[in-house]
Amino acid sequence: DGGITQSPKYLFRKEGQNVTLSCEQNLNHDAMYWYRQDPGQGLRLIYYSQIVNDFQKGDIAEGYSVSREKKESFPLTVTSAQKNPTAFYLCASSRGDTNQPQHFGDGTRLSIL
Amino acid sequence: AQKVTQAQTEISVVEKEDVTLDCVYETRDTTYYLFWYKQPPSGELVFLIRRNSFDEQNEISGRYSWNFQKSTSSFNFTITASQVVDSAVYFCALSEAYAGNNRKLIWGLGTSLAVNP
Repeated sequence: DGGITQSPKYLFRKEGQNVTLSCEQNLNHDAMYWYRQDPGQGLRLIYYSQIVNDFQKGDIAEGYSVSREKKESFPLTVTSAQKNPTAFYLCASSRGDTNQPQHFGDGTRLSIL
Repeated sequence: AQKVTQAQTEISVVEKEDVTLDCVYETRDTTYYLFWYKQPPSGELVFLIRRNSFDEQNEISGRYSWNFQKSTSSFNFTITASQVVDSAVYFCALSEAYAGNNRKLIWGLGTSLAVNP
């Protein structure tokens, strides 16, 4: 079955630690996205990538980093510079740009220890 | 500036009631796309519908229907004969066709729908 796989489902971060969230898709989509979701705030875009080896900052990129070395993979690193990382993180992909429907993974819930 | 407003934060209905979720958008562009997504309690967002700005025909898919009115900048979503499985957060989103490199989806804050047995 084609889809997007996010792992892990739950993640705990210690103070000063970097953690990486995995996102893999087998839909052959060019574009991939990372969103952060906080209660009552909807979805906020962290980073997006429209092609391999290229990515753009979204609205809340500070404290996060990404890479896009393969079409299928778009990992997100939450660095120690992100002071309030507790949130639900969603990865998405789409065939082209934002005019195409986005397909989402199941999400990763990140908490601070 | 582009904006999507979902004025209803939470709605609670009893099973079999009809319910309409409102979405009002703002855009300067004449070509744009509108979306609805469903987020059940499990967390993943599920794409429901995409509509472009040139197609004002209403759409029906089973118990779901969408009413797109450019005159009022609205793209409302109606669930007929609601069921408990319809309980979810529903998001409306807007994409402008010619926003260049800064193109992204503009999301509403969502409407949480609770359908009670």
